[in-house]
Amino acid sequence: SAVISQKPSRDICQRGTSLTIQCQVDSQVTMMFWYRQQPGQSLTLIATANQGSEATYESGFVIDKFPISRPNLTFSTLTVSNMSPEDSSIYLCSVKTGTYEQYFGPGTRLTVT
Amino acid sequence: EDQVTQSPEALRLQEGESSSLNCSYTVSGLRGLFWYRQDPGKGPEFLFTLYSAGEEKEKERLKATLTKKESFLHITAPKPEDSATYLCAVQDRSRGSTLGRLYFGRGTQLTVWP
Repeated sequence: SAVISQKPSRDICQRGTSLTIQCQVDSQVTMMFWYRQQPGQSLTLIATANQGSEATYESGFVIDKFPISRPNLTFSTLTVSNMSPEDSSIYLCSVKTGTYEQYFGPGTRLTVT
Repeated sequence: EDQVTQSPEALRLQEGESSSLNCSYTVSGLRGLFWYRQDPGKGPEFLFTLYSAGEEKEKERLKATLTKKESFLHITAPKPEDSATYLCAVQDRSRGSTLGRLYFGRGTQLTVWP
């Protein structure tokens, strides 16, 4: 397993601004993921962040809107850029350890007004 | 097209009343099926991984089973502290699927009252 922390835990932002979410893991991991959980919807993968390479984005998500950094094997950031109310959601990072299990952070609850 | 469908959406049980949650899935090749528990305001907590039909895993009052098309999470004699949303997810090992990507269902919100 892994212990994952996220900052901030929640934030209220104005439309048009940007927010950077941090994800810290207590051990080195190769694969980190960023998910979005909208009210009443299932968790959806935004992108995969691997250290030493560019993030890989899923259909419907673009780097200009959700830039990701992965400077080392224990840390990643996700920025939500030029926010609109539709970006209000819970953002979660996860890590893959060992075989196929993924462990999730506590999430960042974002409200855009 | 949804790849993972969970039912029911919500379930209310009296303490001690056993029941099952269902997760049906459609993927080209199943790498693994995962069950998570999510409490309000928290991230999903890993419970089980199942890899092949016929496999079963148990943890306290929970037992997960897997067939070729669905998984069940059986809850035996639940307690109020079992109240949470239970999420099911699958990994697809077919070509073209993002390595490590989990496809989630919308979850079953379980409430156990005393």
